Amino acid sequence: DAKTTQPPSMDCAEGRAANLPCNHSTISGNEYVYWYRQIHSQGPQYIIHGLKNNETNEMASLIITEDRKSSTLILPHATLRDTAVYYCIVRSEGTGGFKTIFGAGTRLFVKA
Amino acid sequence: DAGVTQSPTHLIKTRGQHVTLRCSPISGHKSVSWYQQVLGQGPQFIFQYYEKEERGRGNFPDRFSARQFPNYSSELNVNALLLGDSALYLCASSLEGAWGYTFGSGTRLTVV
Repeated sequence: DAKTTQPPSMDCAEGRAANLPCNHSTISGNEYVYWYRQIHSQGPQYIIHGLKNNETNEMASLIITEDRKSSTLILPHATLRDTAVYYCIVRSEGTGGFKTIFGAGTRLFVKA
Repeated sequence: DAGVTQSPTHLIKTRGQHVTLRCSPISGHKSVSWYQQVLGQGPQFIFQYYEKEERGRGNFPDRFSARQFPNYSSELNVNALLLGDSALYLCASSLEGAWGYTFGSGTRLTVV
């Protein structure tokens, strides 16, 4: 599975959009980009995933570059409760199993 | 609906002992994965089971083993505990070919 690179930490003002970048330059054609977040002492929470196209759900938007070598998670109106560690991972799925590799993630601080 | 449930929530063991951690997936989920999360790091993949068969294994020693039962619940066993096994152990479940895992809150294991 491809590795990902994320900044270790970011700050965002409450109510503003939080844009979290992720580099996955070695991603292969059958690998999806997933985003999870982990609030202190809880299990990771699934946010969104995508393959090629941009995706949006009730939590966030995912923008994937055309060459698929990087992506951005957008939280449109960050709140204090969005303070968490955000993990960008790439994952292939197939008969070999669902092996998910987490990196160190980005620690997002949303400030009032 | 109940989420992924793990037991116990906290556990203290002595070096050399054996431990069994338990996980009940979301109803209908047939895939269960186990992760180890050391303080300050992202979760590390240990095992994935689907339909009671091992589908993936991470880079962990043979002291770690797991199994999945007919009701899709799972156990993670760790023998000959070391101090370095102290971590949050996370279980995640998903549907066949699912796009996102649902994680439990984890079991905090402390080895003294």
